[in-house]
Amino acid sequence: EAQVTQNPRYLITVTGKKLTVTCSQNMNHEYMSWYRQDPGLGLRQIYYSMNVEVTDKGDVPEGYKVSRKEKRNFPLILESPSPNQTSLYFCASTISNPTDTQYFGPGTRLTVL
Amino acid sequence: GQQVMQIPQYQHVQEGEDFTTYCNSSTTLSNIQWYKQRPGGHPVFLIQLVKSGEVKKQKRLTFQFGEAKKNSSLHITATQTTDVGTYFCAGPPLGSNYKLTFGKGTLLTVNP
Repeated sequence: EAQVTQNPRYLITVTGKKLTVTCSQNMNHEYMSWYRQDPGLGLRQIYYSMNVEVTDKGDVPEGYKVSRKEKRNFPLILESPSPNQTSLYFCASTISNPTDTQYFGPGTRLTVL
Repeated sequence: GQQVMQIPQYQHVQEGEDFTTYCNSSTTLSNIQWYKQRPGGHPVFLIQLVKSGEVKKQKRLTFQFGEAKKNSSLHITATQTTDVGTYFCAGPPLGSNYKLTFGKGTLLTVNP
């Protein structure tokens, strides 16, 4: 089954404790992206990757890092999480760029205390 | 930077009434995409419009892309309770196919 998976689905952590949210797709997609969703603000793009080893900033990259060492995986790293990063995070992938259909993962709800 | 605005933010209708949400971009778009997110779920792709003035239909849903490729609308005829959710528009600016900006969405609730 074609899908985008994210782990963990729920995470409660404390300020400053490094964490990684994993994202994996099994569709051989080149383009992957991370979004955060906050009430009243909609979906905002954090980082995107056009292919292996190629990443770029979205609209809200501060406080986040990403890497793309393999085509199928695109982890989101929070080196020193802060409470303002409490949010619902979605990973998405598409064949080559966002002009194609984006497939979203189920989301990761992160709470930073 | 590019901004995509959607109105209304919320819309409550009685089942059977029509519903429309509007999307306006501050810049010309390569294309416009529409997504639906059910409560507690993830965004699901509905449709993509590419051509200026394009109109597409999916059963009770009608999507339009403006002539200037800066605005779009989604119209639902005779809403049903299954239409409940948040509808988002999104589009990459013309000439930049990699960065995607979403509107803030319109939350539709339907009273049976």
